[in-house]
Amino acid sequence: QKEVEQDPGPLSVPEGAIVSLNCTYSNSAFQYFMWYRQYSRKGPELLMYTYSSGNKEDGRFTAQVDKSSKYISLFIRDSQPSDSATYLCAMLNLISGNTGKLIFGQGTTLQVKP
Amino acid sequence: ETGVTQTPRHLVMGMTNKKSLKCEQHLGHNAMYWYKQSAKKPLELMFVYNFKEQTENNSVPSRFSPECPNSSHLFLHLHTLQPEDSALYLCASSQESLIKGGSYNEQFFGPGTRLTVL
Repeated sequence: QKEVEQDPGPLSVPEGAIVSLNCTYSNSAFQYFMWYRQYSRKGPELLMYTYSSGNKEDGRFTAQVDKSSKYISLFIRDSQPSDSATYLCAMLNLISGNTGKLIFGQGTTLQVKP
Repeated sequence: ETGVTQTPRHLVMGMTNKKSLKCEQHLGHNAMYWYKQSAKKPLELMFVYNFKEQTENNSVPSRFSPECPNSSHLFLHLHTLQPEDSALYLCASSQESLIKGGSYNEQFFGPGTRLTVL
């Protein structure tokens, strides 16, 4: 079983739609949950991160963590064509954080059509 | 130059060639990383360097040889590669620990080198 599972998509939505991206994980020791965005021909860039369970909002983006279900989500409101990218979830625990070891999902490719 | 830069951006090589990938970070970080990104697969961590010392080798074949002469530069030397090694190779940098004071110290990624092995 992979430590982090993420549906690769592709996911295609019309402009203005609400997008939901999700990852599941198996290691209950994970405490930090990141979402990276990767545009074509670019490296990943951090969108936001959450510590432990709960929600975090940043503009049109909301990250949710449900540790009891080992499930994390990223919601994008009022999606724009500029949101078209691959979204990678990544996770850390205290031990792996000190070793520099992020565990990534395989990424979900999102296309927002005008 | 700002952030993390990588050269070359594209590389095509034969299986008998020797080539090197270069990474440079301008962020004052002490940790540097090599990742391999293949289609439909998660980012695979290859190597971690902290203060120029290798702290992680994720069972990478010896045909990949990293070098970290200082905290700002990282190289990946390639020799006798296989076609299945074709991928995007990403370099990243961060503070020496990814978690400090309860906060995540972000890993910053370069744009990658697209490698094709013929």
